[in-house]
Amino acid sequence: EVQLVESGGGLVQPGGSLRLSCAASEFTFSIYWMHWVRQAPGKGLVWVSRINVDGSFTNYADSVRGRFTISRDNAKNTLYLQMNSLRAEDTAVYYCVGSGYYFDYWGQGTVVTVPS
Amino acid sequence: QSALTQPASVSGSPGQSITISCTGASSDVGAYKYVSWYQQHPGKVPKLMIYDVSNRPSGISDRFSGSKSGNTASLTISGLQAEDEADYYCCSYTGSSTWVFGGGTKLTVL
Repeated sequence: EVQLVESGGGLVQPGGSLRLSCAASEFTFSIYWMHWVRQAPGKGLVWVSRINVDGSFTNYADSVRGRFTISRDNAKNTLYLQMNSLRAEDTAVYYCVGSGYYFDYWGQGTVVTVPS
Repeated sequence: QSALTQPASVSGSPGQSITISCTGASSDVGAYKYVSWYQQHPGKVPKLMIYDVSNRPSGISDRFSGSKSGNTASLTISGLQAEDEADYYCCSYTGSSTWVFGGGTKLTVL
């Protein structure tokens, strides 16, 4: 069974940084695009970022471009999201998601809280 | 990157059919076949229900179907069951390797 396990979430002050990780197992990590999708408390899903299979291309939502950086280490089957200059509106559950043009494999999510 | 437009809520009785619409633009829903739908029960992880407009992943009931006309995609659930009560989200590829979700629709089974 595919497992995507996120970690690194927590409480951080505005302007601070966090690095999220997503460890994949029972999953051919290196052949899939990987995404981060977030969900603020009581709100809907929002696509955040995508990285291609070898990490050479990355894409971001307008709301995080320039502050967040997605990366991957295929040797470690791990996806990352470096989040800088965090704002209250970044408070959400962050899901690691694998697949291509649609979101097939989801992690359980990690909670990021930035107080206002 | 404006969110796709979905009704906030829909409802139906067991056994009935309901349709959830998802309206975008000619640059996203209208431009690509990459429209997908997700089911999310409270406190749970989203689950892929439909991909590429109308395809069902293995294990998804054929009571779930998807379609698209112009800039609007639709998810139809036939033979409503109590377990279908959940939030549903559409998503579309928007080009330039970005994606956009709809605001979500709460389905209530009466």
